[in-house]
Amino acid sequence: DTGVSQDPRHKITKRGQNVTFRCDPISEHNRLYWYRQTLGQGPEFLTYFQNEAQLEKSRLLSDRFSAERPKGSFSTLEIQRTEQGDSAMYLCASSLTTGFNEQFFGPGTRLTVL
Amino acid sequence: AQSVTQLGSHVSVSEGALVLLRCNYSSSVPPYLFWYVQYPNQGLQLLLKYTTGATLVKGINGFEAEFKKSETSFHLTKPSAHMSDAAEYFCAVSERSSYKLIFGSGTRLLVRP
Repeated sequence: DTGVSQDPRHKITKRGQNVTFRCDPISEHNRLYWYRQTLGQGPEFLTYFQNEAQLEKSRLLSDRFSAERPKGSFSTLEIQRTEQGDSAMYLCASSLTTGFNEQFFGPGTRLTVL
Repeated sequence: AQSVTQLGSHVSVSEGALVLLRCNYSSSVPPYLFWYVQYPNQGLQLLLKYTTGATLVKGINGFEAEFKKSETSFHLTKPSAHMSDAAEYFCAVSERSSYKLIFGSGTRLLVRP
């Protein structure tokens, strides 16, 4: 039973550096989502893909953030010129296009910007 | 805009006691409703969901939730708390016209021996 996987699990970087995270969804899932979770808060939606098309982006997703899902399978989330405020847990989830939007989450990537 | 309110950022119960975690949503049109649990440094695991049909929904680990349209609520209960239930619980909604989940701020459940 392979669930959603994310890599790396932890990332420490210095302010101003670029970072990239990877998410591998459950294999038959067409939809893939990115969320950000800060300490003591619930996850906040960032963006989602259906196959390779990015269909919705939150206004939380500044110009420094870009997400791709080039072949409709894995996805990457890149943050350019990181800031201390970017420190958070970045969660990936996937779901089928049928059903009731039941999303399955990965373990997350914890980003610390020094 | 849709919002989710979880009353009580921390709830403490004794082992064996009733667990009640509260969730209210703002939409006038019943959305899809979910409860997720998060253990430290892990992702979220789905406990249960309400989509259509029966308003009392049973989930994993003995949890259940009741959808009450008149109260716009979806409270989570468990008759008898176990030490392993200690975790953070998130209520989430998804509008039927959208695919993103909107989460509450979470309730941390503490279980006292």
